[in-house]
Formats: sequence, C-alpha cells, structure tokens
Amino acid sequence: GAVVSQHPSRVICKSGTSVKIECRSLDFQATTMFWYRQFPKQSLMLMATSNEGSKATYEQGVEKDKFLINHASLTLSTLTVTSAHPEDSSFYICSALPGLALGEQFFGPGTRLTVL
Amino acid sequence: AQRVTQPEKLLSVFKGAPVELKCNYSYSGSPELFWYVQYSRQRLQLLLRHISRESIKGFTADLNKGETSFHLKKPFAQEEDSAMYYCALASGTYKYIFGTGTRLKVLA
Repeated sequence: GAVVSQHPSRVICKSGTSVKIECRSLDFQATTMFWYRQFPKQSLMLMATSNEGSKATYEQGVEKDKFLINHASLTLSTLTVTSAHPEDSSFYICSALPGLALGEQFFGPGTRLTVL
Repeated sequence: AQRVTQPEKLLSVFKGAPVELKCNYSYSGSPELFWYVQYSRQRLQLLLRHISRESIKGFTADLNKGETSFHLKKPFAQEEDSAMYYCALASGTYKYIFGTGTRLKVLA
C-alpha cells in the first residue's frame, strides 16, 4: 500500500528557532500534499495544500511567512516553522494524494513539535 | 459554503450494540465523501468512501443527498472499534474538508 513518512517524529526547539518537517511519499508520486495541524483531542485543521512545482495554497488564518511550504519533487514536501513560539507547539500531519484525481489521502504518522 | 458537521464529540456504546456516527455536509456540487479512522497511537487511515459502496470492518455508510448526510453505521460494535472517526468531503478543487471528529468508545 501507499506509505507516507514524516521526519522527524518528534522535535523540541527553543523559541525563535526554525524547524523543518519533511513529508515523503515512499512508493508513489504525489502531485498534491496537504499539511494539517491537530490539537489535543481535536480535529484536523488544514493549513495548506501543496502542489509540486507551484506555490502552496494556504488556508485562511495561516501565516504563509511563518509556515513555509516547499514541494520540490513528486515525493517530498517540507514544512518549515520559522521563528517558532510556544503557541506553535502542536502535532503536524501531512498527507499525500496519488495521481491527479481526488481520492484517498495517505497520511503520515505526524510530527510532535514542542517549542520551549 | 462547504462544511462537514459531526454533531457528536463523543459516542459511547456497549459492545454488541448498534453504532451510528452522524455526518452532515453542505456542498453545492456532487460530493465525494469519506470516513477516516484514527486508532490510538496510529495514523489516520481511510475507512471507506461513498463511491465504493463497500463494507469495511462491518461499517457501512450511505450517501443521502436529500438529507445531505453520510452517517457511518455498524450493527454490532466491537471493542476494537474504539477510535476517532472523521467524516471528510472532497471538492473539485483539491479541497478536503474534515469534520471535527467523533470519538467512539465501545464499552465492554
């Protein structure tokens, strides 16, 4: 089956530093990848939609200068949290969409970010 | 506006009892609807989608366009069904909207 990996699985950083999270589709090409944020015991909040070779589309209220998304290849998308603050602490999840049609998303295991 | 509503945050049922997790949507076009499940300490995974019209792990969901609903049902709940369930809608612009999720607890 289609597998999506995320790295790192857990990261702790100091306030003011930047953190990069990688999302890879291991056995398929993903034209579209999504980045979500999940708060404890709450739903997924879509942050942005990332399309290979083009700029990401950010959801309303998500600062694009703070959450930099790069989708440089069909198997890799990165989310960089710049100048992280404690309120950015959260669980970040990516998902990937094989092919061009809307269908099943394959989710990564998530990355727990803690900003001290 | 496109919206997915799951009215119940938490649903507790006894083992062997029927389960219905509610999902209502708002969408002007022809929706593609999904149910995703997240078991404890596992990643989100697809449970079923309306176009496949199949039963997975005993769960079924029927799209009711008149009531704009896509409720998830299982006649006899099992303890291993305890998880977080998300209803999702996909639109033609690569947009997915997830509901707020329902935590299902199946009690022994």
